[in-house]
Amino acid sequence: NAGVTQTPKFQVLKTGQSMTLQCAQDMNHNSMYWYRQDPGMGLRLIYYSASEGTTDKGEVPNGYNVSRLNKREFSLRLESAAPSQTSVYFCASSSPKLGGINSPLHFGNGTRLTVT
Amino acid sequence: QQPVQSPQAVILREGEDAVINCSSSKALYSVHWYRQKHGEAPVFLMILLKGGEQKGHEKISASFNEKKQQSSLYLTASQLSYSGTYFCGTEGPNNNDMRFGAGTRLTVKP
Repeated sequence: NAGVTQTPKFQVLKTGQSMTLQCAQDMNHNSMYWYRQDPGMGLRLIYYSASEGTTDKGEVPNGYNVSRLNKREFSLRLESAAPSQTSVYFCASSSPKLGGINSPLHFGNGTRLTVT
Repeated sequence: QQPVQSPQAVILREGEDAVINCSSSKALYSVHWYRQKHGEAPVFLMILLKGGEQKGHEKISASFNEKKQQSSLYLTASQLSYSGTYFCGTEGPNNNDMRFGAGTRLTVKP
C-alpha cells in the first residue's frame, strides 16, 4: 500500500516564484493536513481539510492556499515564495470517528523546499 | 494552542528509563504520541482517549490525566532504536485538527 504520497521530494525556488505541492492518499481517509517543520521546532499546521469539500486555516496559513481536489488529493500552493517558507512540508491523513482526533495520522515522506 | 512538551532533550544510556511530559491549556478528547527519526516522517506510536486506559507499545507506555490536561510517555529499559524526536499531539480549537508540541529529542547511547 502506498499510504500518503507527496510530490516533489525536493524543490528549490527563487523568491517570488510559485509552486504547488501535491499530496494523495489511498486509505479512504476523510481528513487531510499540511504541516511545516523547521529546525528545532515542531510540526506547525498550515491548513487542514476535515472532509471533502471543506478546508480550514491552521496555525500558520499566511502565504499559502490549499485545494481539496477530491477525497484522495489535497494540494498546497505557494503563490509567491519567500525565504521564510524554506522548510520541510508534510502531508498527513486520518479518518477520525465521532468527535476529536481519535485515529492515527499517517504522514507522507515530506517535501524539502528551499527558497533562495 | 500548541501543547507544551518537556524536557526539550534527553540523553540516556541503554537500559535507562525516561519520561516525556505533554500538557495542554484546553480540555482534550485525546492525546497522540509520534516518533520521528532524523530525515524521516513522524510515525504513530499510540493514542490515549478520554476515559480510556493507559496504552502500551513494546516497552513504551503512556498515561493521560484528563483533569490536569496532561499526558506522559514512559520509555522503559531504553534501546538504541528509541533514539529520535518524540512529539505529542492534541486537538486544535475546533477539535478536528491536530496540533503538535515542539518535540523532545531523545538520544540513547551504548
